[in-house]
Amino acid sequence: EIVMTQSPATLSVSPGERATLSCRANQSVGVNLAWYQQRSGQAPRLLISGASTRATGVPARFTGSGSGTEFTLAINSLQSEDFAVYFCQQYNDWLGLTFGGGTKVEIK
Amino acid sequence: EVQLVQSGAVVKKPGESVKISCKVSGYDFAIYWIGWVRQMPGQGLEWMGIIYPADSDIRYSPSFKGHVTMSADKSLDTAYLQLSSLKASDIGTYYCARISGHSTSHFEFDFWGQGTLVTVSS
Repeated sequence: EIVMTQSPATLSVSPGERATLSCRANQSVGVNLAWYQQRSGQAPRLLISGASTRATGVPARFTGSGSGTEFTLAINSLQSEDFAVYFCQQYNDWLGLTFGGGTKVEIK
Repeated sequence: EVQLVQSGAVVKKPGESVKISCKVSGYDFAIYWIGWVRQMPGQGLEWMGIIYPADSDIRYSPSFKGHVTMSADKSLDTAYLQLSSLKASDIGTYYCARISGHSTSHFEFDFWGQGTLVTVSS
């Protein structure tokens, strides 16, 4: 099983600042990596696929990068609606899809 | 517009079974994999398995195999998740989600249902 590890577990950021979230795989997943946003009480929403491609309607302040085992989601100029939990997911092993444990971005 | 609409919250007793539905619209149901994801209270996301409605090809996560049954009815554009012999540890929100593409380089979940809360209590 490919294990996905996200850090930090919680990130405290002031509105307008930049947040950087990390996701690490225990083996290479190429660029078969997605990021999801889950606001409180809502279903997850796809933000990024292919490690760096924004999904339709996702603002440009969300940027995904990385390949292999190290990935980053950067959120520039945090807006109020960006305070949420973010999950990464690998799909390189399509018979063993796995998610990271999540990073909660909270208001500082 | 792609939509996945799940059945409502349920309360079950230990040992009972539950069948959750996920009705889709806005695309050809048969030719996209549908996945199921569990989220226990306050926890992360766990992949349970996927089903390809066109031929009911199913791939279960080893963590859930034997405890859940996935199915699909193409005539109703609906996928189902059945949980049997419910235990307190089955409490959580269950999501269906569409897989975006037809190759392993496009296997992310691009559209999600709203989730179905399953509570198990005697």
